[in-house]
Amino acid sequence: AQTVTQSQPEMSVQEAETVTLSCTYDTSESDYYLFWYKQPPSRQMILVIRQEAYKQQNATENRFSVNFQKAAKSFSLKISDSQLGDAAMYFCAAWAGANSKLTFGKGITLSVRP
Amino acid sequence: DAGITQSPRYKITETGRQVTLMCHQTWSHSYMFWYRQDLGHGLRLIYYSAAADITDKGEVPDGYVVSRSKTENFPLTLESATRSQTSVYFCASLPYWAPNYGYTFGSGTRLTVV
Repeated sequence: AQTVTQSQPEMSVQEAETVTLSCTYDTSESDYYLFWYKQPPSRQMILVIRQEAYKQQNATENRFSVNFQKAAKSFSLKISDSQLGDAAMYFCAAWAGANSKLTFGKGITLSVRP
Repeated sequence: DAGITQSPRYKITETGRQVTLMCHQTWSHSYMFWYRQDLGHGLRLIYYSAAADITDKGEVPDGYVVSRSKTENFPLTLESATRSQTSVYFCASLPYWAPNYGYTFGSGTRLTVV
């Protein structure tokens, strides 16, 4: 089992700037996976990036990267060169243990100022 | 590439009525899931299914019923709708038990119980 905490309900960023969305998790499992999902106004849930706990290297997908701090159980998402299309709700999620299911945080609403 | 389809996209029903939300996937994925999304709670798992005729409860199953007679369909039924079941409902699928794969979500059904 696992818990996921997103403590910031809202954030705002200027277009072309960089923003970091915070997430912490808790699990006693040694094998787990972490995800960030984006939900634009269309409501579609889109997988942005994933991180395997056994990998020390932080995952990167174009302008999106993570800062995975395993000891601190922290999994933040960095969005570089923010674009208007990045405005959405972002969910952090975790999957830990063989019998586990994907568990989500409460989400954070990101707005992008032109 | 039809993917995973939910219907209807919007539904308004009255308290006490039975309502069924449909989920259909074209990939023959083994695993299917139902989540509900509420502000301040993120996404919470209602029910899931590992294969046809195999279903199990998630975090918030009370008031819901599921069935899976065919691999491609996973309907969610609210037997007697209550206002607390007003929510956005997401169906998701996974081809096999591969947590690093990440779920694929449908576009959601917004249900309002009046």
